[in-house]
Parts: sequence; C-alpha cells; structure tokens
Amino acid sequence: QLVLTQSPSASASLGASVKLTCTLSSGHSSYAIAWYQQQPEKGPRYLMKLDSEGSHTKGDGIPDRFSGSSSGAERYLTISSLQSEDEADYYCQTWVTGTWVFGGGTKLTVL
Amino acid sequence: EVQLVETGGGLIQPGGSLRLSCAASGFIVSGNYMSWVRQAPGKGLEWVSVIYTGGSTYLADSVKGRFTISRDNSKNMVYLQMNSLRAEDTAVYYCTRVLGGIFDYWGQGTLVTVSS
Repeated sequence: QLVLTQSPSASASLGASVKLTCTLSSGHSSYAIAWYQQQPEKGPRYLMKLDSEGSHTKGDGIPDRFSGSSSGAERYLTISSLQSEDEADYYCQTWVTGTWVFGGGTKLTVL
Repeated sequence: EVQLVETGGGLIQPGGSLRLSCAASGFIVSGNYMSWVRQAPGKGLEWVSVIYTGGSTYLADSVKGRFTISRDNSKNMVYLQMNSLRAEDTAVYYCTRVLGGIFDYWGQGTLVTVSS
C-alpha cells in the first residue's frame, strides 16, 4: 500500500535552516513526490516536484531558499534562512494511476 | 494567468446532495487532468476525485458510489456532484489542476458543512 509518512511537527529559529522528511512506504522508494505549503487560513501552494534522484522542479515564484533532495525512500524539503512566513503546514504527495496520496503533514514552527 | 474558482459549498443535511463547481481560466480544462482535494477542519489533505483528459474518472474509496466528477468543455468548468452526504464529508473542497501527477494550481476552496 502506498503511504507517505511525515513527522507531525518541526521547529527551527528565524534565519536558520530546517529539513523536513517524507518517507515512502516499502516498495515505493523510486516514486517522485511533490511538496506543498499551507500557511494559516490559506489554501495549499505547490512548492516543488522531487524525484528519486533529487532532481526538483519548483512552482512559479518559489524562492531559492526552498530546495529538495532524496535518499532511498526519503524525500526532503530544506528551507534555509527561515522567515516568519515560512511557519506553515507542509505536505508531501505522490500518486499511482487513479490514486493520489498525501502525507499527514508537518507543522513547522519558526521560533 | 491560471485561476480556479470554486463555488457551491454550504450547509447541507446528512443524506443530502450538493454540486460544487470550479471555473477555470488561463488554460483549457479538457486538455488537463483536473482533480478535487478536500480538507476536513483541522485535518490534512485528502484526494477525492480526478478526471482525465480522455474523460476517465477515478474516486477515492471514501466517496466511491456517492460522488461524481465531470466537466463541461464549452464552459471550461469542472464539477463535483456529491450525493448521500455524511458528517465526515464536512471539509473545504479545493479544485486543482493536475500536471505530471502533481497539483500545480489550486483554487481558494469552498466549505461544505454536513450537519442537521
């Protein structure tokens, strides 16, 4: 079964960097994923598509502070030079034919 | 500029029906996969339904047999017909464009509340 696992919460200081993790279920380590950001009281925004090699394609207007990488079944979102507006929920997502799956989301707090 | 605008949400009693509409601009819906994603209050994102360019449709198991996705090419719109609504269908429903498996554009969402 295709499942994405994310830690429920993360925190980092203003100006620092943070690395969020999304883990693909067994047998699905080659799958590409996408990352989304959802700021409080707003709809989700597409950040990037990330493949198993770590190659990523960002959405329109996404700052260079956001980057992605991969290792095995893990997909990472790194946010550098954290700003207050980065405090948000972050979701990963993947798909197979006819089905799309989201991770449970990580709530990022900027201290 | 790509825009998606959802309408049709509201308060509905359990067992009732509702049709959500999504008006697209800046691209042609029939040339793209289109999808609905929902988010229950305080919860994460849940994929609901997709319609492919060829017209094939898929539904999440949680809504199979109750919801139907469709589109009107002449109006450049996508719809979600929701029947036999349950309390657990209460959520903000987002219309999205699907590109290469990812949801690259999202509407602002429309709230559906199922309650007596």
